[in-house]
Amino acid sequence: KQEVTQIPAALSVPEGENLVLNCSFTDSAIYNLQWFRQDPGKGLTSLLLIQSSQREQTSGRLNASLDKSSGRSTLYIAASQPGDSATYLCAVPPQGGSEKLVFGKGTKLTVNP
Amino acid sequence: DGGITQSPKYLFRKEGQNVTLSCEQNLNHDAMYWYRQDPGQGLRLIYYSQIVNDFQKGDIAEGYSVSREKKESFPLTVTSAQKNPTAFYLCASSIARSQLGNTIYFGEGSWLTVV
Repeated sequence: KQEVTQIPAALSVPEGENLVLNCSFTDSAIYNLQWFRQDPGKGLTSLLLIQSSQREQTSGRLNASLDKSSGRSTLYIAASQPGDSATYLCAVPPQGGSEKLVFGKGTKLTVNP
Repeated sequence: DGGITQSPKYLFRKEGQNVTLSCEQNLNHDAMYWYRQDPGQGLRLIYYSQIVNDFQKGDIAEGYSVSREKKESFPLTVTSAQKNPTAFYLCASSIARSQLGNTIYFGEGSWLTVV
């Protein structure tokens, strides 16, 4: 059974710092991995989708990497801003069922001005 | 604008009542999903539907029911059989399952509280 773990559960950094969020998964037979952002009391917004054949994806100040063999993904945020404060979740579809995304519990990021 | 609309945003349920959460999408997506999110927990899949008139149970379907009569709509009913319904409910959609690796889009969520 696929399990997704995100460490740390919470992270607080000063504005301007570069930071890395971690996501690990137990079954490396994945089709893709997605990173989401969730603001308090809101739905999820997709940030990046990395296909299993890719090693990284970039969008603005965000860069996500994927290492299937080690079961890990990282989300790198450059020059963090207070507006980046949110919970970041990663999710993977288990083999044979892309509709059944398995989510991590998320990392709550606070960027202090 | 294209997107997913969930209503109501806040809903209160009395003991023994059934309540229905609405989810509508105008993205022309074939697949739709319902997730439940509890504080400090990851999202858990309740039901999903890949095409009209078809749906499948997720990991925590007990006490819930759905219908998919139209492509745009996927309402979720929380029945009285669901003993702990207080949670944040999220509806989502994506392009057809056969196209692996598609981004999933979420609505803004509905808060359900038992009173």
